[in-house]
Amino acid sequence: QKEVEQNSGPLSVPEGAIASLNCTYSDRGSQSFFWYRQYSGKSPELIMFIYSNGDKEDGRFTAQLNKASQYVSLLIRDSQPSDSATYLCAVNGDTNAGKSTFGDGTTLTVKP
Amino acid sequence: DARVTQTPRHKVTEMGQEVTMRCQPILGHNTVFWYRQTMMQGLELLAYFRNRAPLDDSGMPKDRFSAEMPDATLATLKIQPSEPRDSAVYFCASGFWTGRNTIYFGEGSWLTVV
Repeated sequence: QKEVEQNSGPLSVPEGAIASLNCTYSDRGSQSFFWYRQYSGKSPELIMFIYSNGDKEDGRFTAQLNKASQYVSLLIRDSQPSDSATYLCAVNGDTNAGKSTFGDGTTLTVKP
Repeated sequence: DARVTQTPRHKVTEMGQEVTMRCQPILGHNTVFWYRQTMMQGLELLAYFRNRAPLDDSGMPKDRFSAEMPDATLATLKIQPSEPRDSAVYFCASGFWTGRNTIYFGEGSWLTVV
């Protein structure tokens, strides 16, 4: 079992819809959770981080964390074609001095 | 505009040759990571440093890979000898560890070993 699991997709949504991306992790001691966006041929770019259970909103993005279920998600509202990318979930454990473990990513396509 | 700088951006080399990739972390960041990304394996952590000291290099093939931080402004990843299976994108990332940290990626070094 991988430490961080994501649905590989591809996930396709129409423009204006909500895209929902999911991530589960195996280390119960994990404390910090991140979402990165990676366009094809580019480097990962941080878009959200969340540390506490619940929701965190930033513009059209909402990160949701449930530590009991070891689950973190990213919602993208009013999806735009420019949101088409691979979304990487990353997890830091409290005991590993900040080492970020990444999932394999979910590829999102937003169709006009 | 602070950024992580990596060189070379692209490298094509022959099997058996030595490859050295360099990274300049964001000024003030005390943690540097080396990741490798391939279609098959995704983003894998090779090694990382805090305050120039290596913390974990368990993801790195020890027989051919080495990583160092000769000073706070330079991290290097060396492959000797290189093999075709080393073809990948190598990312350097840096962050400032405070108990929690966000990390920022360089643009990557695209390596092809033929």
